[in-house]
Amino acid sequence: KNEVEQSPQNLTAQEGEFITINCSYSVGISALHWLQQHPGGGIVSLFMLSSGKKKHGRLIATINIQEKHSSLHITASHPRDSAVYICAVFQNMYSGGGADGLTFGKGTHLIIQP
Amino acid sequence: DGGITQSPKYLFRKEGQNVTLSCEQNLNHDAMYWYRQDPGQGLRLIYYSQIVNDFQKGDIAEGYSVSREKKESFPLTVTSAQKNPTAFYLCASSTAGLYDEQYFGPGTRLTVT
Repeated sequence: KNEVEQSPQNLTAQEGEFITINCSYSVGISALHWLQQHPGGGIVSLFMLSSGKKKHGRLIATINIQEKHSSLHITASHPRDSAVYICAVFQNMYSGGGADGLTFGKGTHLIIQP
Repeated sequence: DGGITQSPKYLFRKEGQNVTLSCEQNLNHDAMYWYRQDPGQGLRLIYYSQIVNDFQKGDIAEGYSVSREKKESFPLTVTSAQKNPTAFYLCASSTAGLYDEQYFGPGTRLTVT
């Protein structure tokens, strides 16, 4: 089973700051997801990536398959970005991870202060 | 609007009672999932279904049961055998399997006393 570690667990920053959230995993994967959970509990998928980099608005996600590491960056952060950000990894026999499985990190709780 | 609905948002039950959580989607997705979220822990997969009339156990299926009689619906029953049923339950769906981008419902917070 994959071990997924996110850092930091909690992050408080000022509006406008550049934010980085990290995700490391232990077993080779086929895909990595970044999710956003709002205070009410609803979850939204932000990115799915298997290599390289993706950008959507002020959000950028990168992945380094060799180092088993991904980062989520937020540029020009805003109070509405305050949420829990969750990393999830999918592994299967083709990625060297055995049976199909999706493992979630515990999340990074981000607060952006005005 | 396409999406996933879960009802109710809050549910209270007495210990020893079975309770069924509803999940409906109109996204025409084949795959549906149930997750449990506890404070300080990552989401854990309870059951998933990749096609009607078929479903597989996830990591923590004990004490739970599901059915998939229609493509749009994937109800979860929390039985009295589940030792710690109080949790936040999330339903999700995707076009294919676990690999795919998932769309989540708003969740049901179940409290058992």
